[in-house]
Amino acid sequence: GQNIDQPTEMTATEGAIVQINCTYQTSGFNGLFWYQQHAGEAPTFLSYNVLDGLEEKGRFSSFLSRSKGYSYLLLKELQMKDSASYLCAVSPGSSYKLIFGSGTRLLVRP
Amino acid sequence: ETGVTQTPRHLVMGMTNKKSLKCEQHLGHNAMYWYKQSAKKPLELMFVYNFKEQTENNSVPSRFSPECPNSSHLFLHLHTLQPEDSALYLCASSQSLPSSGNTIYFGEGSWLTVV
Repeated sequence: GQNIDQPTEMTATEGAIVQINCTYQTSGFNGLFWYQQHAGEAPTFLSYNVLDGLEEKGRFSSFLSRSKGYSYLLLKELQMKDSASYLCAVSPGSSYKLIFGSGTRLLVRP
Repeated sequence: ETGVTQTPRHLVMGMTNKKSLKCEQHLGHNAMYWYKQSAKKPLELMFVYNFKEQTENNSVPSRFSPECPNSSHLFLHLHTLQPEDSALYLCASSQSLPSSGNTIYFGEGSWLTVV
């Protein structure tokens, strides 16, 4: 079957660093996406990894290990506006399907 | 503004009603999607259209009927829904296959409540 696991909730302090983990077990792998979704808003694209390693984009970085079926999203210098849900999604094959995790709700406190 | 516009944003309907959700994308993409988002559950893919042709139907009940008249517009026709169909329905688009690294862009969603 297809399975993606993320922690349900995390809490962090403004200015700190937080790492959101995602593990996946899918029939195939053609890339992993991270999305941010504020309450009542559309999910917005953050990052895409298809090769092992770290992709850095400003305060956000995403890491992938295909052999371990593992990714993480690293958020640095946390701001209050980073309070949102973070969705991990895997493309399992050459198709239009994306398998989504349930999302991690991040609360940033002052 | 994501380039994908959905109407209405909120809809309350009875189980015997017929209503439609509308989606329009201004990104020049070729693929359009309907996703369902229920509380504490992963996003579920419902339908995919590529160049107006349906390429995915994820075992969705027939009370949900999609229509794609052109690459920019997508509808979801709703009839005789059940209360458990209450959810956020998200429309999305992409240039091509996500498996080739093409990003899926989502609309703000239509909140549906079935009473």
